[in-house]
Amino acid sequence: AQTVTQSQPEMSVQEAETVTLSCTYDTSENNYYLFWYKQPPSRQMILVIRQEAYKQQNATENRFSVNFQKAAKSFSLKISDSQLGDTAMYFCAFMKRGGGADGLTFGKGTHLIIQP
Amino acid sequence: DTGVSQDPRHKITKRGQNVTFRCDPISEHNRLYWYRQTLGQGPEFLTYFQNEAQLEKSRLLSDRFSAERPKGSFSTLEIQRTEQGDSAMYLCASRYRENTEAFFGQGTRLTVV
Repeated sequence: AQTVTQSQPEMSVQEAETVTLSCTYDTSENNYYLFWYKQPPSRQMILVIRQEAYKQQNATENRFSVNFQKAAKSFSLKISDSQLGDTAMYFCAFMKRGGGADGLTFGKGTHLIIQP
Repeated sequence: DTGVSQDPRHKITKRGQNVTFRCDPISEHNRLYWYRQTLGQGPEFLTYFQNEAQLEKSRLLSDRFSAERPKGSFSTLEIQRTEQGDSAMYLCASRYRENTEAFFGQGTRLTVV
């Protein structure tokens, strides 16, 4: 079984600052995906960024980038030039690649607050 | 198609009553998932369908829970004899095929009083 740990229940930064959310995971699988999902208040969960474990290059999506350290089983999310609309719960998630059922295993989340 | 839709958005029920939730996935998405999210926690996997076949059930899914996906389209999640501990957000997600992005609905918030 996989576990995902997010050690920061809440973070608060000023608008335009850079913020890094941490995530560690534990698995015996070698082929998997890692994700960051954003859940704004009263709105559905949306995918922010995804990383395939077999790729060494860190994924980047506009202001969002990850630092994937496979050996350390660490997967942090960096948000640059933070905006008020980034305020949300952020969940780190793990998914086994291939081989049938592929449900997501989520961490407990980090509540990110962007202050004006 | 406007994404994954769930109905109802909110449900308040008395302890002991049965409730049923519905999820309509994105068209042509053959994989459908149910998750439960309690306050302060991340979503927890409940069950998974590929087309109409229920392929995996979590140990969280007690005998009081049942899910169906007739004809491989919409899905229903029924909870019988609800308990206060069932109060949670129930999320549905769908995926076109293996290794593609999962899209989530807005969830059904269940309150058992």
